[in-house]
Amino acid sequence: EEQLVESGGGLVQPGRSLRLSCVASGFDFEDYAIHWVRQGPGKGLEWVSGINWHGANIAYADPVKGRFTVFRDNAKKSVHLDMNGLRHEDAAVYFCAKVRTKFSAGESFDLWGRGTTVTVSS
Amino acid sequence: QSALTQPSSASGSPGQSITISCSLTATAADGSKFISWYQQRPGKAPKLLLFEVDRRPSGVPGRFSGSQSGDAASLTISGLQPEDEGEYYCFSFIGGNNWAFGSGTQVTVL
Repeated sequence: EEQLVESGGGLVQPGRSLRLSCVASGFDFEDYAIHWVRQGPGKGLEWVSGINWHGANIAYADPVKGRFTVFRDNAKKSVHLDMNGLRHEDAAVYFCAKVRTKFSAGESFDLWGRGTTVTVSS
Repeated sequence: QSALTQPSSASGSPGQSITISCSLTATAADGSKFISWYQQRPGKAPKLLLFEVDRRPSGVPGRFSGSQSGDAASLTISGLQPEDEGEYYCFSFIGGNNWAFGSGTQVTVL
């Protein structure tokens, strides 16, 4: 069964850092781009970042550019999101999502994790 | 201003049809052909309903269909069912190595 499992969320003070992880199973992880999507409390979905299948093509949404870093370890079937300088507005459920098509940058997401919650508060 | 604009809500009685629009205010010239749609129920992860404008993944009922005209895409639910209640989002590549979700539409089955 194809699966994505996020971890690493928690309570963090403004300005501090956190690393989220997304571990995959049940599919050829190294062939697919993975994206991060977040959803603030009572808000809609917001695209955060994406990394292609071999990690050379990376993209970030403007609100996180320069603060968040995404990278992947294909040997460990995992993608990580390093979040620095966290702000109140970064508080959200963070989902990782698998792109539907092999070797595609990200036209649609056919597999999602359940999400991990990040709370930013002093 | 969101790059993809959706109506905040839509509703219909069981068996009726509703259409949700997704207007692309900023997109790459060919980005709109990659429109996808997602359904999200409260407390759950989003679920892919349509990809490449009008293609359904295996397991998605045929009452969900999509179309596109210019910089506007739409999702139609024909024969609305109670289980169709939830939030619906469009998603697209918008150029400049960026992607975006629509603002979301809350569907209510009356």
